[in-house]
Amino acid sequence: DIQLTQSPSFLSASVGDRVTITCRASQDISSNLAWYQQKPGKAPNLLIYTASTLQSGVPSRFSGSGSGTEFTLTISSLQPEDFATYYCQQLNSYPLTFGGGTKVEIK
Amino acid sequence: EVQLVESGGGLVQPGGSLRLSCAASGFTFSDHHMDWVRQAPGKGLEWVGRSRKKGKNYATEYAASVKGRFTISRDDSKTSLYLQMNSLKTEDTAAYYCARDSMMYGFDYWGLGTLVTVSS
Repeated sequence: DIQLTQSPSFLSASVGDRVTITCRASQDISSNLAWYQQKPGKAPNLLIYTASTLQSGVPSRFSGSGSGTEFTLTISSLQPEDFATYYCQQLNSYPLTFGGGTKVEIK
Repeated sequence: EVQLVESGGGLVQPGGSLRLSCAASGFTFSDHHMDWVRQAPGKGLEWVGRSRKKGKNYATEYAASVKGRFTISRDDSKTSLYLQMNSLKTEDTAAYYCARDSMMYGFDYWGLGTLVTVSS
């Protein structure tokens, strides 16, 4: 199974900060990675797919990069509505797996 | 508008069974793979399994943690996805989400989830 390790698991930041979350895969997954945002009590929401493609309707302050085993999600200027938990997911092979999550909280 | 609505959750004793449903609307259900994802209270996301579309013979895939106990099925005529859960364990307690699966393009629509509690 492909393991996804997200770091950090917890992040405290201020509105306007640039935030970067890393997702490392235990083996090469090419660009078959997606990022999701989840707010408390809500379903996850797709932000990025194929590692760097912004899902329709997602603000441009979100961006993704990477391929192979190392990926990043960047929020260029953190907004109040961005405080949430973020997950990466590999879609390369079964079983599909998610990272452990990164909770972004207000400093 | 794409909508996914799960139902069927509830309290069940260990060893019991439960069948979840996911009613889909707003898109051509038969053209899409569909998945179940669960989330234990306070924990992260865990993929449960996939139902491929008709063109892929409705083939299914499962996480090791549920294989042999859970069965995913679908009825394209009712635009519905199902999750039959047998031999339930306390560790199966979670919110269960159905999601539209666009393969390498991610899970682009999710339901609100239905809560399953396995407890005596």
